[in-house]
Amino acid sequence: DQQVKQNSPSLSVQEGRISILNCDYTNSMFDYFLWYKKYPAEGPTFLISISSIKDKNEDGRFTVFLNKSAKHLSLHIVPSQPGDSAVYFCAASYKDSGNTGKLIFGQGTTLQVKP
Amino acid sequence: DTGVSQDPRHKITKRGQNVTFRCDPISEHNRLYWYRQTLGQGPEFLTYFQNEAQLEKSRLLSDRFSAERPKGSFSTLEIQRTEQGDSAMYLCASSLAVLAGENNEQFFGPGTRLTVL
Repeated sequence: DQQVKQNSPSLSVQEGRISILNCDYTNSMFDYFLWYKKYPAEGPTFLISISSIKDKNEDGRFTVFLNKSAKHLSLHIVPSQPGDSAVYFCAASYKDSGNTGKLIFGQGTTLQVKP
Repeated sequence: DTGVSQDPRHKITKRGQNVTFRCDPISEHNRLYWYRQTLGQGPEFLTYFQNEAQLEKSRLLSDRFSAERPKGSFSTLEIQRTEQGDSAMYLCASSLAVLAGENNEQFFGPGTRLTVL
């Protein structure tokens, strides 16, 4: 079962506009959420995270919003730049019995920012 | 370079052969993870180390897979009798957790691309 879902495989936006990437989850135990960016032939790079006790976290051009009642989070990139073109992964974790911190990832959304 | 490194970056092998991958985490990180990523999917958790102790293994990790972190620093992942279905990107990540249950971002290495012919 896919506990973290990114239902949009791809997104295309114009440079300077806002990019909104969405993520839904099913496990109400998740209490920590992260976004990663991945370029081809590289490992995922951490972008931004949010704890379940918050509903918004901002870091420069990146803002993550969390709606716990809807089990939904989104990543906003403003303004979008061509260098933002990559695959974006949503990930979640929870305090399981072993406190492992393992991440459950979505399938990814490919963002293309056109000049 | 103080990031997570993995070796080799690419590995092509024939079915039935054994392969071993190495991961060097960020030096002060006590947690180390292995993930596997196939085309069109996000990374999937394989196993987790807290210092030198392997504390969790996914059911994805069959008996042909074994991982070690002998001195709590670098880690190795070995696949015995490789099968074509093992072809994937194998990712290593590390993090630092001081408090029990503390959440921290994981830092990933570049991965090892395995192709089984």
